[in-house]
Amino acid sequence: GPKVLQIPSHQIIDMGQMVTLNCDPVSNHLYFYWYKQILGQQMEFLVNFYNGKVMEKSKLFKDQFSVERPDGSYFTLKIQPTALEDSAVYFCASSPGTGRRGDTQYFGPGTRLLVL
Amino acid sequence: GEQVEQLPSILRVQEGSSASINCSYEDSASNYFPWYKQEPGENPKLIIDIRSNMERKQIQELIVLLDKKAKRFSLHITDTQPGDSAMYFCAANTGANTGKLTFGHGTILRVHP
Repeated sequence: GPKVLQIPSHQIIDMGQMVTLNCDPVSNHLYFYWYKQILGQQMEFLVNFYNGKVMEKSKLFKDQFSVERPDGSYFTLKIQPTALEDSAVYFCASSPGTGRRGDTQYFGPGTRLLVL
Repeated sequence: GEQVEQLPSILRVQEGSSASINCSYEDSASNYFPWYKQEPGENPKLIIDIRSNMERKQIQELIVLLDKKAKRFSLHITDTQPGDSAMYFCAANTGANTGKLTFGHGTILRVHP
């Protein structure tokens, strides 16, 4: 099936540092998402992105978070500065974007972020 | 609200029997209900989904039912195999018209030989 790639697979950083998580969505997809999963819990929506803009963000998407996709390259999630509670697995997802609710979302393998 | 409730949290069944997971949702505008299977250390993989114009969908041993009036949907795995052991998440699209998925808390399914 369609594949979403994420780089890196693991990241360990010190609290207060900046981190950038990279996502390579499915090539013809138009909508991009970030979800956060803490060990043993469900995925929680952070943000979605379309046509260069944030469409919707949740309460988990703190001021320290930002997303962008410059010139059709990676879709990135940047956290600056990081906090201990940011430790989690971050999943990127993309969907074709037919413009209607209910697009199938395909998830990448995740980036395991550990903030020390 | 946008909550999605999922039960049970843990389900143990004997190989060859059926397993059922139930979810309920609050957002009356939700019209898309996917189910994801997640194995330890892996990403969630879509296994089946149903849209609000259907009440029942089957793909091989997977059956999903949707009751829009009651705001409930369920996954039934018939003839379970040890390879079906995993975490299962239901989800519903919620909120503004942006495709956001709200997930249930997950069900750990263990199929015993």
